[in-house]
Amino acid sequence: DTAVSQTPKYLVTQMGNDKSIKCEQNLGHDTMYWYKQDSKKFLKIMFSYNNKELIINETVPNRFSPKSPDKAHLNLHINSLELGDSAVYFCASSQAGQGYTFGSGTRLTVV
Amino acid sequence: KQEVTQIPAALSVPEGENLVLNCSFTDSAIYNLQWFRQDPGKGLTSLLLIQSSQREQTSGRLNASLDKSSGRSTLYIAASQPGDSATYLCAVRDTNAGKSTFGDGTTLTVKP
Repeated sequence: DTAVSQTPKYLVTQMGNDKSIKCEQNLGHDTMYWYKQDSKKFLKIMFSYNNKELIINETVPNRFSPKSPDKAHLNLHINSLELGDSAVYFCASSQAGQGYTFGSGTRLTVV
Repeated sequence: KQEVTQIPAALSVPEGENLVLNCSFTDSAIYNLQWFRQDPGKGLTSLLLIQSSQREQTSGRLNASLDKSSGRSTLYIAASQPGDSATYLCAVRDTNAGKSTFGDGTTLTVKP
């Protein structure tokens, strides 16, 4: 299946821990994104990579660090997790002139 | 800075009705506009993509229009069904930065 897949689907962890979320797309898209959806369902962009190069870096705490080993993968590492980091994190990809394809999301709960 | 507003925030209609969801944006210099649906606890499913040079797109019972000069897009759903119940989001893509700004969504409930 052609898709954007992210793992894990659910992540429950304690405050202060470090965790990673992985994303892979097999659509051949050049650009990948991380979006955060908060408890009020508002979606906000965090990062965007084009061909492994960071092109968008919104105002996000530097505890969040994206890594793109190749253009098909964009991972998100979060250090020293805080309660306020609890949200659903969505990975997406797109190609020039086309719209987004989203992954199914990772629900992160920090306790 | 682009701002995207969706009205109404929630809408409840009986099955079979035709309905219109609205999306307004403040900066008309857009690259494209995309409509999504999101089911509870799920990801976003793309419905329609309108490029900045286009006026409308159609897919089945859905029709999306774009009027850049007035900063508006509408999503028309014909003959609504209970399965259309979901949150509908519009995303406006910025010409330069390539990022999209999302509206807060309209939560649609279609009652049998």
